[in-house]
Amino acid sequence: QKEVEQNSGPLSVPEGAIASLNCTYSDRGSQSFFWYRQYSGKSPELIMFIYSNGDKEDGRFTAQLNKASQYVSLLIRDSQPSDSATYLCAPCSNDYKLSFGAGTTVTVRA
Amino acid sequence: DAGVIQSPRHEVTEMGQEVTLRCKPISGHNSLFWYRQTMMRGLELLIYFNNNVPIDDSGMPEDRFSAKMPNASFSTLKIQPSEPRDSAVYFCASTWGVGTEAFFGQGTRLTVV
Repeated sequence: QKEVEQNSGPLSVPEGAIASLNCTYSDRGSQSFFWYRQYSGKSPELIMFIYSNGDKEDGRFTAQLNKASQYVSLLIRDSQPSDSATYLCAPCSNDYKLSFGAGTTVTVRA
Repeated sequence: DAGVIQSPRHEVTEMGQEVTLRCKPISGHNSLFWYRQTMMRGLELLIYFNNNVPIDDSGMPEDRFSAKMPNASFSTLKIQPSEPRDSAVYFCASTWGVGTEAFFGQGTRLTVV
């Protein structure tokens, strides 16, 4: 079993729609969770982090965390063409280990 | 701060040669990570350090790979001998504590022919 699993892509959504990205993790010791965005040929960059169960909103992005289910998700509302990228889920364990999922590639159709 | 600095940006080498990748983390950060990214395997964690000490190197694929962090401002990832399957983008990232944002360098694109 992979440490971090994300829904397989690519995910294609029309402009203005909601993109929903899912992630499950195996390490129950994970305490903090990150979503990174990576444009083609570029480095990953942080877009959201969440530490507590529930929802966290930041602009058009909402992260959801359920530690009991070992599940974290990211919603992108009002998707824009500039949101077209690969989104990486990254749980961080208490021993500093930061592992990444394989990523979900999102394409927003104009 | 200039961010995480990696060198070289691109490296083309012949099979069997030694390759050394370099990373300078952000000043004040105490954790450093080396990742390898390929289309097939995604972003794989190779090894990470905390306060210059290797914490987990279970992701290092083979004995051909080694990493060092002699001080807080410098780390190297060495491949000896290199093989074509080592071709990938290698990223270095640093953080200042547990559960904080990781900042990535621009990566080194390695091609082994």
